[in-house]
Amino acid sequence: DQQVKQNSPSLSVQEGRISILNCDYTNSMFDYFLWYKKYPAEGPTFLISISSIKDKNEDGRFTVFLNKSAKHLSLHIVPSQPGDSAVYFCAASGPSNTGKLIFGQGTTLQVKP
Amino acid sequence: DSGVTQTPKHLITATGQRVTLRCSPRSGDLSVYWYQQSLDQGLQFLIHYYNGEERAKGNILERFSAQQFPDLHSELNLSSLELGDSALYFCASSKVGVNTEAFFGQGTRLTVV
Repeated sequence: DQQVKQNSPSLSVQEGRISILNCDYTNSMFDYFLWYKKYPAEGPTFLISISSIKDKNEDGRFTVFLNKSAKHLSLHIVPSQPGDSAVYFCAASGPSNTGKLIFGQGTTLQVKP
Repeated sequence: DSGVTQTPKHLITATGQRVTLRCSPRSGDLSVYWYQQSLDQGLQFLIHYYNGEERAKGNILERFSAQQFPDLHSELNLSSLELGDSALYFCASSKVGVNTEAFFGQGTRLTVV
């Protein structure tokens, strides 16, 4: 039973355009959501997070949107840059805040120059 | 550099053997998590330690065990290794508190032959 799903294994966008990565979850008890970026041969790097009491969080070029009723979150990258090419994982935690993260399968983003 | 150190980076061993993976968390982080990433899979939570005590267990096999020492470093012990145990093993650490992000090490790539 996969509680966090990223249904698009890959995404390709042109440099300067918007990248939108999507994530769906099934457990309504999740209350904290995170996005990580991973380059080959490296560990995941934290990008941005959002608490379930918010519907939007922005950090520079990165914005995460949360739609609790749809159990859906998305990461927007504007403008996309070639250095953003990586695997993006969404993750969820809660409600006991053990810190345990449930990860999606990841979406490989390719930003073409 | 996330501040989380994992050793070794690569490990090749034979079936039936036992190995120990080591993790040093970021300075000041009391929580250590272990995750497994098999080929083309998302990260699967294995176990969480907080200040030396086990806090949560995921899908960790009985052949696997972990501990966190007084200096807060952690070790993941994998025994009676099977070919299917070949994977990337990541350690992450986080601070105390609600909704804090975890920072990941670069991982140990285990190959069982």
